[in-house]
Amino acid sequence: DTEVTQTPKHLVMGMTNKKSLKCEQHMGHRAMYWYKQKAKKPPELMFVYSYEKLSINESVPSRFSPECPNSSLLNLHLHALQPEDSALYLCASSQDRYGGPEDTQYFGPGTRLTVL
Amino acid sequence: AQTVTQSQPEMSVQEAETVTLSCTYDTSESNYYLFWYKQPPSRQMILVIRQEAYKQQNATENRFSVNFQKAAKSFSLKISDSQLGDTAMYFCAFMNPNAGGTSYGKLTFGQGTILTVHP
Repeated sequence: DTEVTQTPKHLVMGMTNKKSLKCEQHMGHRAMYWYKQKAKKPPELMFVYSYEKLSINESVPSRFSPECPNSSLLNLHLHALQPEDSALYLCASSQDRYGGPEDTQYFGPGTRLTVL
Repeated sequence: AQTVTQSQPEMSVQEAETVTLSCTYDTSESNYYLFWYKQPPSRQMILVIRQEAYKQQNATENRFSVNFQKAAKSFSLKISDSQLGDTAMYFCAFMNPNAGGTSYGKLTFGQGTILTVHP
């Protein structure tokens, strides 16, 4: 089973709203990732959690706040977003992040975010 | 830094035919991993196939196979007996397991190739 789930599928929010994206995996993976993807472009890495600790922050603006409550759950808290933040947000997980085929990243279906 | 280049922004193929998507990469490493991901209009990124650089044998998954040319730094994907469900954007990706710091375990993606399978 290589399933990563994400909720909600779609989200529309105003620039003053606070919302959260949720990602869950039950594969026993210890690394989880957030990506941002614009239309017809490759995903851009935002954050990496390894063993529930934030290990990479790709200089993402503070209006995006990640959280990893436990090894199977990853949240992305959104506050005061800009219209240019509208994109597909993908979550992924891997067994670990030491590199290698066993650390293949498996992606969720994504959340389509629109900021008005 | 590693780079991945997919030189074909768009391709099309007739159903049941064979199509090859190109990918080249640049690295000074000898040990690394390569992946092809498929992203249909439904948007979920799905792993198609992966290749370990230390393996000489080309990876195969059902109708999908790769032509891995390590010296040429080329990693093309061949799709045989194309099906309508193969319509998607395909991304080639590179991972360097020896990268240090914040590059540890990171995927480097190409710009993608949009493949359309026509009936």
